[in-house]
Amino acid sequence: NAGVTQTPKFRILKIGQSMTLQCTQDMNHNYMYWYRQDPGMGLKLIYYSVGAGITDKGEVPNGYNVSRSTTEDFPLRLELAAPSQTSVYFCASSGPGTNQPQHFGDGTRLSIL
Amino acid sequence: AQSVAQPEDQVNVAEGNPLTVKCTYSVSGNPYLFWYVQYPNRGLQFLLKYITGDNLVKGSYGFEAEFNKSQTSFHLKKPSALVSDSALYFCAVRDGNAGNNRKLIWGLGTSLAVNP
Repeated sequence: NAGVTQTPKFRILKIGQSMTLQCTQDMNHNYMYWYRQDPGMGLKLIYYSVGAGITDKGEVPNGYNVSRSTTEDFPLRLELAAPSQTSVYFCASSGPGTNQPQHFGDGTRLSIL
Repeated sequence: AQSVAQPEDQVNVAEGNPLTVKCTYSVSGNPYLFWYVQYPNRGLQFLLKYITGDNLVKGSYGFEAEFNKSQTSFHLKKPSALVSDSALYFCAVRDGNAGNNRKLIWGLGTSLAVNP
């Protein structure tokens, strides 16, 4: 049972490069989320999705884009990488019912130099 | 405004002793409360939740949490700590009256160190 899978696990980018962080879940969850985690700052919500074709901004969306063409996949795109985007990125999903917990992937560690 | 506070950045406890990790919250409606644990280089793992009912909630790995409405708290507890419990713990809350808004409000985390 894979759950939430994120790729790549690690990546180093140069300033101005672009990349896509992949996230896929096999639990048929409608709700999906992207967070960034910085030391001592907890989790910050970047974008979320309530189902295929529907996305919305979280707390810190600037510099990122998302799409949700299928229930399973929720990729996060960085168009022009900046040092401030150095972070650990987590994807999560949650199932039906308003009291369901979120299930997390193991993260992508991204450094921008 | 909705918020979660974890007042201790770090908690140290000896193996075999009871542990408590504190969490207080503020929401306008009924609170749905969650605890998660994060081991090094891993994603967050769900431990337990309070939605309604008994104030004492039992979860994974022998953890439990006590909901206290008057003190707006949801402290995580374990009767006997293990070295393997050393990790980062996050408390989160959402407003149960917020309909389909599933967004969680997260605390900043508490680092638990269990000493042998």
